[in-house]
Amino acid sequence: AQRVTQPEKLLSVFKGAPVELKCNYSYSGSPELFWYVQYSRQRLQLLLRHISRESIKGFTADLNKGETSFHLKKPFAQEEDSAMYYCALSSYGGATNKLIFGTGTLLAVQP
Amino acid sequence: KAGVTQTPRYLIKTRGQQVTLSCSPISGHRSVSWYQQTPGQGLQFLFEYFSETQRNKGNFPGRFSGRQFSNSRSEMNVSTLELGDSALYLCASSLGEGSYQPQHFGDGTRLSIL
Repeated sequence: AQRVTQPEKLLSVFKGAPVELKCNYSYSGSPELFWYVQYSRQRLQLLLRHISRESIKGFTADLNKGETSFHLKKPFAQEEDSAMYYCALSSYGGATNKLIFGTGTLLAVQP
Repeated sequence: KAGVTQTPRYLIKTRGQQVTLSCSPISGHRSVSWYQQTPGQGLQFLFEYFSETQRNKGNFPGRFSGRQFSNSRSEMNVSTLELGDSALYLCASSLGEGSYQPQHFGDGTRLSIL
């Protein structure tokens, strides 16, 4: 079965602390993994995708096929990082844009 | 460029009625996907259209249907509404060519069933 699991509903950290948002997936084919973010009163938007291997707003995520994980990390959290984060997967190379989302993690960065 | 536009923003219906939601994608985007977002189930894929053809379908009953027009605008229809259909319905558009293309989401239509 295709599934994305985000075990934490809420993650609360202090400004300057490291952040790790967990994501595990189950997929039989070759997945492409993404992190989407929704800031307060804004639209859901793409944060990063594993195939790009880039850092956005200081966030990075590495695809670990052995552990079927795609955790999102940032060394020093900022208050403006407070948002809802969704991990999602799609079929790599497939002729579809279908996304399977996790249930999301609310990141709250305290001053 | 204008973003993805969904209309209406809010809808209130009663059980048994039907509803049509509209989505205008970003200019030049040919793929439109629909998602249902609820507190209990999160974001769930409904269907995807590309060049007026349904390319993929999620696990929803036949009461949920959609279509895409030649200008890439899309509509989704829900018939015989049930209380459980209360949700935020999100539309996303992308270029749609080749392998996965980043999707751009609209603000959604919030549907409430009384």
